[in-house]
Amino acid sequence: NAGVTQTPKFRILKIGQSMTLQCAQDMNHNYMYWYRQDPGMGLKLIYYSVGAGITDKGEVPNGYNVSRSTTEDFPLRLELAAPSQTSVYFCASSPGTVNYGYTFGSGTRLTVV
Amino acid sequence: AQKVTQAQTEISVVEKEDVTLDCVYETRDTTYYLFWYKQPPSGELVFLIRRNSFDEQNEISGRYSWNFQKSTSSFNFTITASQVVDSAVYFCALVGGSNYKLTFGKGTLLTVNP
Repeated sequence: NAGVTQTPKFRILKIGQSMTLQCAQDMNHNYMYWYRQDPGMGLKLIYYSVGAGITDKGEVPNGYNVSRSTTEDFPLRLELAAPSQTSVYFCASSPGTVNYGYTFGSGTRLTVV
Repeated sequence: AQKVTQAQTEISVVEKEDVTLDCVYETRDTTYYLFWYKQPPSGELVFLIRRNSFDEQNEISGRYSWNFQKSTSSFNFTITASQVVDSAVYFCALVGGSNYKLTFGKGTLLTVNP
């Protein structure tokens, strides 16, 4: 049981480039989330999804886009990378019932230069 | 709106000392859940505990204990007889009502020196 799988683990982008951070879960969870972690700032919610075809903005959505075409996958798209997007990105999923908790991926460390 | 405050940015202790990490939360929901996560230097998030708003019993798990007090909106975490392996960033988090979105505090960096 893989849980939540994020790829890649590390990436260096040049300013203005685009990329997609991949996130996949095999637990049939309805809810999926993208967080970014900046030093000393905790984790902030970028986007979330409550099911296939349904996404919504979190606290810091600017500069990002998401889609949810299947229950399993929740990719995060950076269209024009900026240095402010240098961060560690975590994907998470939950079944939609808090008692069952949240499962986090291992993170993607992104540097924009 | 939900908010989690971890006022201690960094704590440094010597091995075998006891240490308490503070967490204060704000929410308008009557039903909510509080969490603690550990992030070791390797970077992954490790779930430690979940507590719902209707259960104010303190919990002990080995050297870890948690004190939940609704009257002061606090959910503090104590490590007894700290060890070097406890060195990590610790996050307190909150989810309220039925929105299922975790709100994190800024974290406390704990360094345990030998």
